[in-house]
Amino acid sequence: GQNIDQPTEMTATEGAIVQINCTYQTSGFNGLFWYQQHAGEAPTFLSYNVLDGLEEKGRFSSFLSRSKGYSYLLLKELQMKDSASYLCAVSSPTTTSSALEPERGNQAGTALIFGKGTTLSVSS
Amino acid sequence: ETGVTQSPTHLIKTRGQQVTLRCSSQSGHNTVSWYQQALGQGPQFIFQYYREEENGRGNFPPRFSGLQFPNYSSELNVNALELDDSALYLCASSSQTGAPTEAFFGQGTRLTVV
Repeated sequence: GQNIDQPTEMTATEGAIVQINCTYQTSGFNGLFWYQQHAGEAPTFLSYNVLDGLEEKGRFSSFLSRSKGYSYLLLKELQMKDSASYLCAVSSPTTTSSALEPERGNQAGTALIFGKGTTLSVSS
Repeated sequence: ETGVTQSPTHLIKTRGQQVTLRCSSQSGHNTVSWYQQALGQGPQFIFQYYREEENGRGNFPPRFSGLQFPNYSSELNVNALELDDSALYLCASSSQTGAPTEAFFGQGTRLTVV
């Protein structure tokens, strides 16, 4: 089965550091994504990890441990505009090799399996 | 903005009706995926289209169907609408299948079934 867990809500104050954890159990794994989603808007890409370790991008960092099925998103120097939902998503294959049609030049697709999201509220 | 556009932005339908949602993918992207996001939940994968063929499907009934056109734009059709179909429907485009490239999401279509 597919299961992705992350905390439902978190609160923090401006300037602080917050870590949002994500654990996953999926039938396939092609990488782990973090997306940010403001209320009523589309998810926007934050980070991608496929190998173990830390990826840093400005105020945002993401960590992956494949053996533990664990990731976290670290947000530093929090700002009010960081108040949003943070979605952990595993990229998983959609098509088995038996279903491939070489004559069509197709290859296995990938789908994002999302957690329910963590709503982060940043206060002043 | 991601370059992925969806229409309409909002829609109200009656139970039992049919609905068609549209998505124009980002330039250069040949793969479109559709997701359903209920209130307070993460997006759930409906299906994916690559080169005009369905290339993977999530746990959704057959009344959810789709199309992809030669210009890689896509439609999601839902027949016999149920109240539980009320959700934000998101379209995501990416440059290829089989590799976990970044998916760019449209702003979504908010469907309300009454």
